[in-house]
Parts: sequence; C-alpha cells; structure tokens
Amino acid sequence: AQKITQTQPGMFVQEKEAVTLDCTYDTSDPSYGLFWYKQPSSGEMIFLIYQGSYDQQNATEGRYSLNFQKARKSANLVISASQLGDSAMYFCAMREGAFTGNQFYFGTGTSLTVIP
Amino acid sequence: DSGVTQTPKHLITATGQRVTLRCSPRSGDLSVYWYQQSLDQGLQFLIQYYNGEERAKGNILERFSAQQFPDLHSELNLSSLELGDSALYFCASSSRDRGRSYEQYFGPGTRLTVT
Repeated sequence: AQKITQTQPGMFVQEKEAVTLDCTYDTSDPSYGLFWYKQPSSGEMIFLIYQGSYDQQNATEGRYSLNFQKARKSANLVISASQLGDSAMYFCAMREGAFTGNQFYFGTGTSLTVIP
Repeated sequence: DSGVTQTPKHLITATGQRVTLRCSPRSGDLSVYWYQQSLDQGLQFLIQYYNGEERAKGNILERFSAQQFPDLHSELNLSSLELGDSALYFCASSSRDRGRSYEQYFGPGTRLTVT
C-alpha cells in the first residue's frame, strides 16, 4: 500500500479563492509527522507546514493550514486567498517513528495552477 | 534560501562513470538526507545520516553510497552510472530535536544527466 496518497494530479483555483489539496497516509506507527512542501517550477523544495500525530490542534502557518483528521488518516493542505505565486507542485510527506532516523515518504504531488 | 548548499548544480556524465555530489547542511543541523527525484519514480528517500552515522536507508541502490564527515557535510557517491540514474538529487537537513525539528530544509539540488 502507498504510504502517502495524493489523488489530485492537477488543480486549478481562482486567484484570492481558497483551495484544498488532499493527502491521505497509511501507517500503524502511533508517532509520526506530516509535512507539506511546495516545489515551484524553479525546482527547489520549500517547507510549508508540519503536523505531529499527537498535536491536538491543526497546524497553521500564515495562509497555509493543515486539516488533520487522524481517524480518517488525512492531512489536507488548505491554502487561503490564493496568489499567482502559489502555482507550483505540492507534496505531502510523512515521517514515521518516534526517533531520528526513520524514513520519509512523499506523495506523487499535486500541481496547482492559480488563475488570474 | 534554505541555508543548505549543494554542489555542483548541474552534472553531465557518461554511463559507467562515477560522480560525487556534495551537500553542506544548515548551520547547526546534524541530520542530512538524500533524495532522488525523477519523472517516473517521483521523490524517493535514499539515505539519512545523523552526526556522522547512518540512521536510515531507503531506496538506495548498491551502486550508490554516502557518508557524512566530521564537519557535517555529506557526499553522495554514484558509481557505474546508468541512463536511469538521470535525476535531480536533493540534499536536506534538519535539526536534532523532535517534532517540528523534523522539518527538512532542502538544498537547490544537483541535476545529474547521464548520457
């Protein structure tokens, strides 16, 4: 089974609108971390947001928020007030395990295009 | 700028050759991770080092090896290169604590082209 599943290969959103990028994960480890990264066309990977499995509240970082539904094993990224500069690939990732040294798994990514 | 540096930026070499990719982590980060990003495989975790020791191994081929030096920089060695090794190789670093410290800061990547 895939550890990280991103079912939306491509998404479009109107500028200034909100958009949700889906991510589901699969793990039996009670301790894990979930991440979202942005990869613009220039190629660099940019960290956006982190959610720990024991965190009680959904993570937020500026216009980014993570809709963490533990029972459903989903960690959707919500981008509010989309901007043209948000057009990029977005990757969901998971780190399993409680100790430094566990593997990271990345999804296949969602390509987001913001329309003016 | 993430603070992680990678050299070279681009590398073109022939099949059968050996190359070394270099990574310097952010100041203070003890963990270094290597990833391969290719069109058909997506982003694959290769290996992690923490303070000089190998900590986790992912989908790393036997032809590939890595090490982390006392000054914490890391090198990824790729040998007997094949056309399929053409990819973008990322290095990332993170700090030693748990939780948010698992955030990985990625370098700009090394684009390897094997001809």
